[in-house]
Amino acid sequence: GAVVSQHPSRVICKSGTSVKIECRSLDFQATTMFWYRQFPKQSLMLMATSNEGSKATYEQGVEKDKFLINHASLTLSTLTVTSAHPEDSSFYICSVPGLAGVGPSSYNEQFFGPGTRLTVL
Amino acid sequence: GQNIDQPTEMTATEGAIVQINCTYQTSGFNGLFWYQQHAGEAPTFLSYNVLDGLEEKGRFSSFLSRSKGYSYLLLKELQMKDSASYLCAVRNSGYALNFGKGTSLLVTP
Repeated sequence: GAVVSQHPSRVICKSGTSVKIECRSLDFQATTMFWYRQFPKQSLMLMATSNEGSKATYEQGVEKDKFLINHASLTLSTLTVTSAHPEDSSFYICSVPGLAGVGPSSYNEQFFGPGTRLTVL
Repeated sequence: GQNIDQPTEMTATEGAIVQINCTYQTSGFNGLFWYQQHAGEAPTFLSYNVLDGLEEKGRFSSFLSRSKGYSYLLLKELQMKDSASYLCAVRNSGYALNFGKGTSLLVTP
């Protein structure tokens, strides 16, 4: 399976500042990556689909001007939380779709990064 | 739209068997996944079903009935380390996953 990294793993910032989170696919190229957000004791909610070479696709209710996504290369997508507020404090996780399994048993899977814990004071 | 339901919490005893149910109503269906997630960590893949029936993988099994919009995850020979949140996720089209709210499983001695 794919190996996905995220940086930073934790970030604490002041209200009003911007924070950039990087997601890297370490061992294969990804034209598509996904960004999820998870509030405490809640499930993962898809925020947006990051597309290499084109604009990201945002889910309903997610502000595209607040959560800027740049798919800079086939191995890197960045999520920038602009003018962060305490309500943006959450666990942000990216994922990369890929193929798992072997031969006829193979299937499309998603490989998750380790996540970034954002705390906005 | 998507509607994925699973119990919020479950408790089971070490060594026992537990079944976590998931029902879904989706506009399309292209596979159902189960993930395990420990607090503060990313989800880890457990199982995948796209056809009806039971998929077995060691202590974990997952079942799917597409006509009923129903799946379950079966955990056998429970261990303390199995205490975690278990997420049911449905893929409709494309690759993105839609997750249920997760079931928090507590394994007691």
